[in-house]
Amino acid sequence: QVQLVESGGGVVQPGRSLRLSCAASGFTLSSYAMHWVRQAPGKGLEWVAVISFDGSKKYYADSVKGRFTISRDNSKNTLYVQMNSLRAEDTAVYFCARGGIQGPFDSWGQGTLVIVSS
Amino acid sequence: QSVLTQPPSVSEAPRQRVTISCSGSSSNIGNNAVNWYQQLPGKAPKLLIYYDDLLPSGVSDRFSGSRSGTSASLAISGLQSEDEADYYCAAWDDSLNGDVFGTGTKVTVL
Repeated sequence: QVQLVESGGGVVQPGRSLRLSCAASGFTLSSYAMHWVRQAPGKGLEWVAVISFDGSKKYYADSVKGRFTISRDNSKNTLYVQMNSLRAEDTAVYFCARGGIQGPFDSWGQGTLVIVSS
Repeated sequence: QSVLTQPPSVSEAPRQRVTISCSGSSSNIGNNAVNWYQQLPGKAPKLLIYYDDLLPSGVSDRFSGSRSGTSASLAISGLQSEDEADYYCAAWDDSLNGDVFGTGTKVTVL
């Protein structure tokens, strides 16, 4: 069955960097666009970024543009997001999700928590 | 901030019907399909409705969706206690070049 497992979360100081990973199994990663979606504690869902099946197209939310970079390694069945210049407002559970460029997100990981705090 | 507006909460008795609205604009709902997600407490979201009104395999047909103009709605009929969750609409936004989520609606079964 389709499985997405995020990792790499933790506590990081403001201004520092963190890279999250999403390991995919049960399907051919190279056939799908992939997304990152986040959820701040007690808040709603916020779309973060998407990458096309081959990595040629990438789109970002304005809130992370210029600071976050989405990437993928289809040979390793893994999706990434490099998060630089982290801010307190980036504190959230980060989910990876499978879907077309414009959605829908038909499979989700369980999420990994990122806390940005000094 | 969310560009799709939903009511913060709705509540109804078991076996009744509730409707959740999702209001957007011409750049998102007015021009692109709407998807709905259910998030049970402490869990990851789950796709509930896609392309406005289609049900993924395994989703109960008590759930239904529709879209008209710049608004969409999700209906839950025969409300059950297991339906207590947060519900989010989402759509691609042509102006933002990204997906946008609704503000979310908490459904409570009285």
